[in-house]
Amino acid sequence: DQQVKQNSPSLSVQEGRISILNCDYTNSMFDYFLWYKKYPAEGPTFLISISSIKDKNEDGRFTVFLNKSAKHLSLHIVPSQPGDSAVYFCAASPGNQFYFGTGTSLTVIP
Amino acid sequence: DAGVIQSPRHEVTEMGQEVTLRCKPISGHNSLFWYRQTMMRGLELLIYFNNNVPIDDSGMPEDRFSAKMPNASFSTLKIQPSEPRDSAVYFCASSSLAGVIDEQYFGPGTRLTVT
Repeated sequence: DQQVKQNSPSLSVQEGRISILNCDYTNSMFDYFLWYKKYPAEGPTFLISISSIKDKNEDGRFTVFLNKSAKHLSLHIVPSQPGDSAVYFCAASPGNQFYFGTGTSLTVIP
Repeated sequence: DAGVIQSPRHEVTEMGQEVTLRCKPISGHNSLFWYRQTMMRGLELLIYFNNNVPIDDSGMPEDRFSAKMPNASFSTLKIQPSEPRDSAVYFCASSSLAGVIDEQYFGPGTRLTVT
C-alpha cells in the first residue's frame, strides 16, 4: 500500500501564479521529507527538504510546508515559471530509506 | 563528479531474455538504491544497499529480479527471464548516509522495453 500519496496526477497553472502541489503520508514514523523534480528522459533531482522539527522551509521561489498532525505536506512555487513544468515527486523517510509518491505533473502555461 | 552513471540508457529485449542493468554510484556514497518507475505506481523502491550489503529487498517483485553490489563502485540489477510487464524506467540512486539523512542523487535511468 502506498505510504506516500500524491492524489493529483496533474496540475496546470498560469505563468506568474502560485503552484501548490500536495502530498499525504500515512506513517507517523516519517521524520524527513523531500521534493524531487523530474524532467522527461532525466532522473529526478533534489529540490527542497524539511525535517519534522520544522513546519516550513523556504528556498527562493520554493516553499515546503509540513502539517504533522494532518500528515500532509505541500510545495508552493511562486511565481511559477514555464521552466518549472516537470513531474514533482514527494518523498518521506523514517531514517533509512525513502518512500516516494506517484508524482504530479505540473504544466506552467506562458 | 560525473554523477550516478547508468547503462544502458535504453534496452529493448524479447520476452524470456535476460536483462542486466548497470549502475556506478557517486564516489564516496555508501548507499545505493534501485527504483522502478511506472505510470501506475510512480517510483517504487526495489532494493537498497548500504556499504555494499543488501539491506532491504522487499520491493523486488519476484524471484526473476536479482541485484548485486560486488564493490562500492558498481551494482547490477538483473531480470531473468524478462516479461513485458517489466517494461519501465529503472533508476539507480546513491546517497551518503553519514549519520543523517541526505538527499539521493539519481542517475538518468534505463528505459527497458520487453516485447
